[in-house]
Amino acid sequence: DAGITQSPRHKVTETGTPVTLRCHQTENHRYMYWYRQDPGHGLRLIHYSYGVKDTDKGEVSDGYSVSRSKTEDFLLTLESATSSQTSVYFCAITREGSTGELFFGEGSRLTVL
Amino acid sequence: GESVGLHLPTLSVQEGDNSIINCAYSNSASDYFIWYKQESGKGPQFIIDIRSNMDKRQGQRVTVLLNKTVKHLSLQIAATQPGDSAVYFCAERTGFQKLVFGTGTRLLVSP
Repeated sequence: DAGITQSPRHKVTETGTPVTLRCHQTENHRYMYWYRQDPGHGLRLIHYSYGVKDTDKGEVSDGYSVSRSKTEDFLLTLESATSSQTSVYFCAITREGSTGELFFGEGSRLTVL
Repeated sequence: GESVGLHLPTLSVQEGDNSIINCAYSNSASDYFIWYKQESGKGPQFIIDIRSNMDKRQGQRVTVLLNKTVKHLSLQIAATQPGDSAVYFCAERTGFQKLVFGTGTRLLVSP
């Protein structure tokens, strides 16, 4: 258990609406990540953060933004959701001093109608 | 779980058998590899990892083998149990903050 909580766990929304997913961690980890998981694809990195206010893009960042105003929270925002963003979203952390393995939250299932 | 895909390669074994799950990776420069287990409706769970300077690493009931010549990774699970039923996938580190994940294999364990 990496002390990661994602919210909401399930959300259904309509095309064009904004959506924010929250990742909360309790262990003060510096690195946090947002991935999406879709059938036929491995987990794909959307954005990651290496500290408060320090973020960078991953391979599938188009249509997403992130914010990290405090260590424990990493927010993923879809400014205007599209059906192609229907997915399961996972937050992850790496532990300092580790080899780099990711520890994941339980996921947030988003459906965009 | 079902979010990973309905058409994953599937390995069906009997309880007590040994299971071998394979993964071909893409980047000969990858220096680190991880195996994850994902149960239905849950997040991926770290199982075992291996650095590229090793060819074998053992954990509790699991062994990972790395063959860099053919860019192949395998996960061996000894005495497979029903609780091992899940989707298993590998990941390779191709660069700083760059983990590339495979699509996974579904393991079904029959009692």
